[in-house]
Amino acid sequence: DVKVTQSSRYLVKRTGEKVFLECVQDMDHENMFWYRQDPGLGLRLIYFSYDVKMKEKGDIPEGYSVSREKKERFSLILESASTNQTSMYLCASRGDRGHNIEQYFGPGTRLTVT
Amino acid sequence: GDSVTQMEGPVTLSEEAFLTINCTYTATGYPSLFWYVQYPGEGLQLLLKATKADDKGSNKGFEATYRKETTSFHLEKGSVQVSDSAVYFCALSAERNDYKLSFGAGTTVTVRA
Repeated sequence: DVKVTQSSRYLVKRTGEKVFLECVQDMDHENMFWYRQDPGLGLRLIYFSYDVKMKEKGDIPEGYSVSREKKERFSLILESASTNQTSMYLCASRGDRGHNIEQYFGPGTRLTVT
Repeated sequence: GDSVTQMEGPVTLSEEAFLTINCTYTATGYPSLFWYVQYPGEGLQLLLKATKADDKGSNKGFEATYRKETTSFHLEKGSVQVSDSAVYFCALSAERNDYKLSFGAGTTVTVRA
């Protein structure tokens, strides 16, 4: 079974803090993704990575950055957290075999910025 | 751009009732279509998928048929259980942007005993 793990289930940070969300997958997948989930908006793609050290912006990259130094690990960074970044953050991974291949999701990190 | 529209919830049903969640999409070409489910406190997991027109995806008693003519992928289950209480997301993966999933807003389903 594919396993995608995220470093924290719940996180509370203060406005202006730098926040790191970590994601690790154990299936040697090339592609990894960060989404945020908000009620009524579904999931929106923040960033994705298709290889080590490679990244692409998703639909809502503003206020975020990412890092992928190793194939299994993909980090989401909030350089200066703001209250409008309070959300559920989901990491996903996927192999590299065409557009019908499913994404596997981690359990999510619920981030609250006060 | 590519997009998915699914019926708004919340939906509340009694056990053994019939469930339908409508999903329509906008995309060029032939996208792949997915239903994901999120149980309370968990991440998303794939429920079923269909990759070409007229395909039927099925799993755990749920079914959905890829209808190109109506650009729809409605989810159905004939007899729901309390354990089906979850948030359901319709999603598509477009031919030309196959790395990306576009999600609907999600439909919260609650099944009462």
